[in-house]
Amino acid sequence: QSVLTQPPSVSAAPGQKVTISCAGSSSNIGNNYVSWYQQLPETAPKLLIYENNKRPSGIPDRFSGSKSGTSATLGITGLQTGDEADYYCGTWDSSLSAGVFGTGTKVTVL
Amino acid sequence: QVQVVQSGAEVKKPGAPVKVSCEASGYTFTSYAIHWVRQAPGQRLEWLGWINAGNGDTKYSQKFQGRVTITRDTSAKTAYMELSSLRYEDTAVYYCARGPQAPDHNNWFDPWGQGTLVTVSS
Repeated sequence: QSVLTQPPSVSAAPGQKVTISCAGSSSNIGNNYVSWYQQLPETAPKLLIYENNKRPSGIPDRFSGSKSGTSATLGITGLQTGDEADYYCGTWDSSLSAGVFGTGTKVTVL
Repeated sequence: QVQVVQSGAEVKKPGAPVKVSCEASGYTFTSYAIHWVRQAPGQRLEWLGWINAGNGDTKYSQKFQGRVTITRDTSAKTAYMELSSLRYEDTAVYYCARGPQAPDHNNWFDPWGQGTLVTVSS
């Protein structure tokens, strides 16, 4: 099954910014929208970003998304201790006709 | 509010099947799809398949083809995921999530159910 590649972990001090990359291919990210999910410890994932850069109602504008070619990026500004979580990118893979997720990135607030 | 609520934890023996339910509320059930995603302990999210709650069309991950069956009951606004021939490595939290009716090109999952822990143990 196709997997999107993310860095295992990123960290920064409170108030700083982090970015998380998500690398795919032309069959997934290259031709389809990307979404991002936050998974706090011991909880279900939560939608943060959809259609590459749109935020659902209630998601603060500290979270942003972008896409270029076959890669996507999630940005978190004004980092807070409550942002410590695992973050996953997701998209559709047209070759597999299947949903695919990234390998996950753990965000640590120093 | 829009939500999907799953059935409770299950403990199954190897080789047995398990069926997990996902009841939707707060939106028009037949206007969206329901996806199933699992997460083994300490592992990443893994997509199993989806069902178009409107017309019943399904698509499964190649990895689970032949072992997973997703159905829905529109009158009960509930989707079901059955996984057969369970193995120890199927121990995981299984999630359902709402998605767009046509996931190709534009897919997202929102909201997610609370998760159902399926433990495979002899």
